[in-house]
Amino acid sequence: NAGVTQTPKFRVLKTGQSMTLLCAQDMNHEYMYWYRQDPGMGLRLIHYSVGEGTTAKGEVPDGYNVSRLKKQNFLLGLESAAPSQTSVYFCASSYSGASKRGYTFGSGTRLTVV
Amino acid sequence: AQKVTQAQTEISVVEKEDVTLDCVYETRDTTYYLFWYKQPPSGELVFLIRRNSFDEQNEISGRYSWNFQKSTSSFNFTITASQVVDSAVYFCALIVLGNQFYFGTGTSLTVIP
Repeated sequence: NAGVTQTPKFRVLKTGQSMTLLCAQDMNHEYMYWYRQDPGMGLRLIHYSVGEGTTAKGEVPDGYNVSRLKKQNFLLGLESAAPSQTSVYFCASSYSGASKRGYTFGSGTRLTVV
Repeated sequence: AQKVTQAQTEISVVEKEDVTLDCVYETRDTTYYLFWYKQPPSGELVFLIRRNSFDEQNEISGRYSWNFQKSTSSFNFTITASQVVDSAVYFCALIVLGNQFYFGTGTSLTVIP
């Protein structure tokens, strides 16, 4: 099915561990985004990419790194996980920054850092 | 700076009642886009509507309607004859020509049977 796929869906990390979240889209979208969702704070942009090989910082980039080596994939890395990074992470993609259908979101990754 | 405010944190209504979810936005840009998303208990984000800043025409889609008023910087969402399946968190969001979404903090709607 066409859309945005996030893996894994759930993960528990110990403080200091590293991990990579994978986002894959098969809609040939240029733009891809990583958001985190925390209670009472809505969604906040971590990093985004406007095309293969490009990345840019969003509102809350500290503690995260990203890569967009292939157009269809957008990776979010945590080098040294902290409890403050416990959150639900959403990946999204779009043709452009304000496409008519907005973004297509993945189903989310629930990350717990203990 | 851009900002989206959803002052209603939680709303409960009895099934078949009408309910309006408020959204107030702030931006100095003249070109922007407003969105509503639904997040049901399953967690995914479902696109509902997009409006650009030059189109103030209200829209109706089934039981859903949206009222966009630039004079008050509001983009309110009304559900008519609410149903239990409408129970979800609803997010209002704003995009300006910089590609970043600015989300409100969401309104949790509970429809009681």
